[in-house]
Amino acid sequence: GAGVSQSPSNKVTEKGKDVELRCDPISGHTALYWYRQSLGQGLEFLIYFQGNSAPDKSGLPSDRFSAERTGGSVSTLTIQRTQQEDSAVYLCASSLLPLPLHFGNGTRLTVT
Amino acid sequence: GENVEQHPSTLSVQEGDSAVIKCTYSDSASNYFPWYKQELGKRPQLIIDIRSNVGEKKDQRIAVTLNKTAKHFSLHITETQPEDSAVYFCAAAGRLYFGRGTQLTVWP
Repeated sequence: GAGVSQSPSNKVTEKGKDVELRCDPISGHTALYWYRQSLGQGLEFLIYFQGNSAPDKSGLPSDRFSAERTGGSVSTLTIQRTQQEDSAVYLCASSLLPLPLHFGNGTRLTVT
Repeated sequence: GENVEQHPSTLSVQEGDSAVIKCTYSDSASNYFPWYKQELGKRPQLIIDIRSNVGEKKDQRIAVTLNKTAKHFSLHITETQPEDSAVYFCAAAGRLYFGRGTQLTVWP
Protein backbone atom coordinates (compact mmCIF):
# COMPACT_ATOMS: atom_id res chain seq x y z
CA GLY A 1 0.00 0.00 0.00
CA ALA A 2 0.93 3.67 -0.11
CA GLY A 3 3.53 4.82 2.34
CA VAL A 4 4.03 8.16 4.05
CA SER A 5 4.07 10.92 1.46
CA GLN A 6 5.81 14.25 1.94
CA SER A 7 5.77 17.31 -0.24
CA PRO A 8 7.59 19.09 -1.59
CA SER A 9 10.62 16.84 -1.83
CA ASN A 10 12.86 19.87 -2.14
CA LYS A 11 12.27 23.47 -1.16
CA VAL A 12 14.61 26.41 -1.60
CA THR A 13 13.54 29.62 0.07
CA GLU A 14 15.00 32.97 0.92
CA LYS A 15 15.84 33.89 4.47
CA GLY A 16 12.87 35.52 6.15
CA LYS A 17 10.20 33.78 4.07
CA ASP A 18 7.63 31.37 5.50
CA VAL A 19 7.46 27.75 4.33
CA GLU A 20 4.91 24.98 4.68
CA LEU A 21 5.83 21.32 4.56
CA ARG A 22 3.16 18.70 4.08
CA CYS A 23 2.88 15.12 5.30
CA ASP A 24 0.29 12.54 4.26
CA PRO A 25 0.54 9.63 6.71
CA ILE A 26 -0.41 6.05 6.00
CA SER A 27 -4.18 5.75 6.11
CA GLY A 28 -5.42 4.72 9.53
CA HIS A 29 -2.21 5.57 11.36
CA THR A 30 -3.10 7.45 14.50
CA ALA A 31 0.37 8.68 15.44
CA LEU A 32 2.34 11.22 13.42
CA TYR A 33 5.80 12.55 14.12
CA TRP A 34 7.98 15.28 12.65
CA TYR A 35 11.76 15.02 12.87
CA ARG A 36 14.54 17.23 11.58
CA GLN A 37 17.82 15.89 10.27
CA SER A 38 20.64 18.33 9.67
CA LEU A 39 23.49 17.32 7.37
CA GLY A 40 25.36 14.39 8.89
CA GLN A 41 23.37 14.60 12.09
CA GLY A 42 20.82 12.46 13.88
CA LEU A 43 17.06 12.65 14.01
CA GLU A 44 15.87 15.56 16.11
CA PHE A 45 12.34 15.18 17.45
CA LEU A 46 10.09 18.15 16.72
CA ILE A 47 6.45 17.30 17.40
CA TYR A 48 4.18 14.33 17.95
CA PHE A 49 0.45 13.95 17.25
CA GLN A 50 -1.53 11.05 18.69
CA GLY A 51 -5.20 10.77 17.80
CA ASN A 52 -7.26 13.58 19.25
CA SER A 53 -4.87 14.27 22.10
CA ALA A 54 -3.06 17.56 22.42
CA PRO A 55 0.17 17.37 20.42
CA ASP A 56 3.52 17.08 22.13
CA LYS A 57 5.35 20.19 20.93
CA SER A 58 8.30 19.84 23.27
CA GLY A 59 10.82 19.44 20.43
CA LEU A 60 9.99 22.56 18.45
CA PRO A 61 13.17 24.68 18.50
CA SER A 62 11.48 28.09 18.52
CA ASP A 63 8.12 29.81 18.22
CA ARG A 64 8.77 30.22 14.49
CA PHE A 65 7.91 26.53 14.16
CA SER A 66 4.36 25.25 14.33
CA ALA A 67 2.47 22.23 13.11
CA GLU A 68 -1.08 21.11 12.81
CA ARG A 69 -2.85 17.94 11.87
CA THR A 70 -6.27 18.35 10.33
CA GLY A 71 -8.91 15.67 10.67
CA GLY A 72 -6.42 13.30 12.22
CA SER A 73 -4.71 12.78 8.88
CA VAL A 74 -2.65 15.29 6.89
CA SER A 75 -0.14 17.37 8.80
CA THR A 76 1.52 20.66 7.92
CA LEU A 77 4.74 21.91 9.47
CA THR A 78 5.12 25.68 9.14
CA ILE A 79 8.34 27.58 9.61
CA GLN A 80 7.96 31.34 9.76
CA ARG A 81 10.72 33.85 8.98
CA THR A 82 13.11 31.10 7.95
CA GLN A 83 16.76 31.28 8.97
CA GLN A 84 19.76 29.60 7.40
CA GLU A 85 20.06 27.26 10.38
CA ASP A 86 16.63 25.89 9.49
CA SER A 87 18.19 24.21 6.45
CA ALA A 88 17.78 20.47 6.95
CA VAL A 89 15.78 17.47 5.86
CA TYR A 90 12.41 17.38 7.57
CA LEU A 91 11.11 13.85 8.01
CA CYS A 92 7.58 12.84 8.80
CA ALA A 93 6.68 9.43 10.17
CA SER A 94 3.45 7.73 11.12
CA SER A 95 2.51 4.63 13.04
CA LEU A 96 -0.42 2.58 14.18
CA LEU A 97 0.41 2.22 17.82
CA PRO A 98 2.17 0.73 19.49
CA LEU A 99 4.81 1.07 16.77
CA PRO A 100 6.99 0.98 14.57
CA LEU A 101 7.39 4.21 12.63
CA HIS A 102 7.12 4.42 8.88
CA PHE A 103 9.08 7.33 7.47
CA GLY A 104 8.42 9.51 4.46
CA ASN A 105 11.21 10.47 2.07
CA GLY A 106 11.54 13.85 3.68
CA THR A 107 11.58 17.44 2.50
CA ARG A 108 15.00 18.93 1.93
CA LEU A 109 14.75 22.59 2.94
CA THR A 110 17.45 25.02 1.90
CA VAL A 111 17.35 28.57 3.17
CA THR A 112 19.53 30.94 1.18
CA GLY B 1 11.97 13.36 28.45
CA GLU B 2 13.99 10.40 27.29
CA ASN B 3 17.72 10.76 26.63
CA VAL B 4 19.26 8.25 24.22
CA GLU B 5 23.03 8.00 23.88
CA GLN B 6 24.55 6.03 21.00
CA HIS B 7 28.14 4.85 20.53
CA PRO B 8 30.27 4.82 18.51
CA SER B 9 29.50 7.66 16.13
CA THR B 10 31.57 6.00 13.41
CA LEU B 11 32.58 2.37 12.98
CA SER B 12 34.73 0.79 10.28
CA VAL B 13 34.99 -2.96 9.91
CA GLN B 14 36.37 -5.45 7.41
CA GLU B 15 33.90 -7.45 5.39
CA GLY B 16 33.00 -10.58 7.30
CA ASP B 17 33.73 -9.12 10.71
CA SER B 18 31.06 -8.33 13.30
CA ALA B 19 29.83 -4.85 14.19
CA VAL B 20 28.30 -3.81 17.50
CA ILE B 21 26.53 -0.53 18.19
CA LYS B 22 25.42 0.35 21.71
CA CYS B 23 22.75 2.66 23.08
CA THR B 24 21.74 3.71 26.56
CA TYR B 25 18.49 5.31 27.62
CA SER B 26 17.35 7.20 30.67
CA ASP B 27 13.61 6.62 31.04
CA SER B 28 12.97 3.32 32.79
CA ALA B 29 9.38 3.42 31.46
CA SER B 30 10.58 3.02 27.87
CA ASN B 31 9.35 -0.30 26.56
CA TYR B 32 10.12 -0.40 22.87
CA PHE B 33 13.53 -0.19 21.20
CA PRO B 34 13.78 -0.10 17.40
CA TRP B 35 16.82 0.17 15.18
CA TYR B 36 16.70 2.02 11.88
CA LYS B 37 19.09 1.89 8.94
CA GLN B 38 19.46 4.95 6.74
CA GLU B 39 21.31 4.63 3.47
CA LEU B 40 22.71 7.76 1.91
CA GLY B 41 19.94 10.03 0.67
CA LYS B 42 17.17 7.66 1.71
CA ARG B 43 14.62 7.47 4.50
CA PRO B 44 15.30 5.55 7.71
CA GLN B 45 14.04 1.98 7.50
CA LEU B 46 13.25 -0.25 10.44
CA ILE B 47 15.56 -3.26 10.53
CA ILE B 48 14.80 -4.83 13.90
CA ASP B 49 13.04 -3.96 17.13
CA ILE B 50 12.69 -5.39 20.61
CA ARG B 51 10.17 -4.94 23.38
CA SER B 52 10.95 -4.79 27.05
CA ASN B 53 9.62 -8.24 27.85
CA VAL B 54 12.34 -9.85 25.70
CA GLY B 55 16.10 -9.90 26.29
CA GLU B 56 17.27 -10.79 22.81
CA LYS B 57 15.92 -10.99 19.30
CA LYS B 58 17.61 -12.26 16.18
CA ASP B 59 16.86 -11.97 12.48
CA GLN B 60 19.44 -13.65 10.26
CA ARG B 61 22.68 -11.66 10.59
CA ILE B 62 21.15 -9.01 12.83
CA ALA B 63 20.45 -9.29 16.54
CA VAL B 64 19.45 -6.91 19.28
CA THR B 65 20.02 -7.40 23.00
CA LEU B 66 18.36 -5.50 25.82
CA ASN B 67 19.46 -5.07 29.41
CA LYS B 68 16.63 -3.28 31.21
CA THR B 69 18.43 -3.16 34.53
CA ALA B 70 21.38 -1.31 33.04
CA LYS B 71 19.14 0.52 30.55
CA HIS B 72 21.17 -0.31 27.51
CA PHE B 73 20.60 -2.17 24.28
CA SER B 74 22.86 -3.15 21.43
CA LEU B 75 22.71 -3.98 17.73
CA HIS B 76 24.90 -6.83 16.54
CA ILE B 77 25.62 -7.42 12.87
CA THR B 78 27.56 -10.57 12.02
CA GLU B 79 29.33 -11.44 8.77
CA THR B 80 29.14 -7.84 7.64
CA GLN B 81 28.83 -7.05 3.96
CA PRO B 82 29.52 -3.81 2.04
CA GLU B 83 25.77 -3.27 1.63
CA ASP B 84 25.51 -3.01 5.42
CA SER B 85 27.30 0.36 5.14
CA ALA B 86 24.83 3.01 6.31
CA VAL B 87 23.91 5.15 9.29
CA TYR B 88 22.19 3.21 12.04
CA PHE B 89 19.90 4.86 14.58
CA CYS B 90 18.65 3.44 17.83
CA ALA B 91 15.54 4.75 19.52
CA ALA B 92 13.61 4.33 22.74
CA ALA B 93 9.87 4.76 23.22
CA GLY B 94 7.11 5.84 24.57
CA ARG B 95 7.52 8.80 22.29
CA LEU B 96 10.47 7.94 20.04
CA TYR B 97 13.73 9.63 20.87
CA PHE B 98 16.63 8.72 18.62
CA GLY B 99 20.33 8.37 19.23
CA ARG B 100 22.67 10.49 17.12
CA GLY B 101 23.43 7.66 14.77
CA THR B 102 26.42 5.49 13.88
CA GLN B 103 28.03 5.66 10.48
CA LEU B 104 29.02 2.08 9.70
CA THR B 105 31.46 1.47 6.88
CA VAL B 106 32.23 -2.06 5.77
CA TRP B 107 35.39 -2.40 3.70
CA PRO B 108 35.49 -5.21 1.14
